[in-house]
Amino acid sequence: AQSVTQPDIHITVSEGASLELRCNYSYGATPYLFWYVQSPGQGLQLLLKYFSGDTLVQGIKGFEAEFKRSQSSFNLRKPSVHWSDAAEYFCAVAPRGAGTALIFGKGTTLSVSS
Amino acid sequence: DTGVSQDPRHKITKRGQNVTFRCDPISEHNRLYWYRQTLGQGPEFLTYFQNEAQLEKSRLLSDRFSAERPKGSFSTLEIQRTEQGDSAMYLCASSLGTEFTDTQYFGPGTRLTVL
Repeated sequence: AQSVTQPDIHITVSEGASLELRCNYSYGATPYLFWYVQSPGQGLQLLLKYFSGDTLVQGIKGFEAEFKRSQSSFNLRKPSVHWSDAAEYFCAVAPRGAGTALIFGKGTTLSVSS
Repeated sequence: DTGVSQDPRHKITKRGQNVTFRCDPISEHNRLYWYRQTLGQGPEFLTYFQNEAQLEKSRLLSDRFSAERPKGSFSTLEIQRTEQGDSAMYLCASSLGTEFTDTQYFGPGTRLTVL
């Protein structure tokens, strides 16, 4: 079955430490890939997206993600986490083909400790 | 650019009542999407419009759900005869382009509680 999985429900990282949030997908062909962030009281905001080409994608707020076809993964990374990064992060996919909607994972909640 | 706005931000209703939510997209955005987000889940796509045309509504959760975008600007989502299972956050998003892969800008959502 087609799916997108975020294995970690909740992660706590110390401020200044590095971060990696995992995302795996299961589709016949590589879908379009996205990461969104949702802060309390705020709308979802797109961090970055991957369609094709360079497998390392740079996004906003210092985030990057790497697409690995062999692992069907699109993990989000940040070298040094700030307290303001505490939020919920969603991986989303859009299967290739016209008229297909975004499919979101269940999200990973990031807490940042001082 | 004021972003996507949604009204109300919170709605508490009794089971069996009808509710209507409004979404104002970013001006000149062609596409408008509705999603539902329940606790511990990611957003779930419901329906979308391109200008005033509703191009997909098979994902609406039941025939109690309906949406309109009468003039291709704001949109409303109505739930008739609400049930407790309808309690969720209802999100609206808009995009300038005509593809699902175009960047979607989300509103803050309307949180519905059905008692």
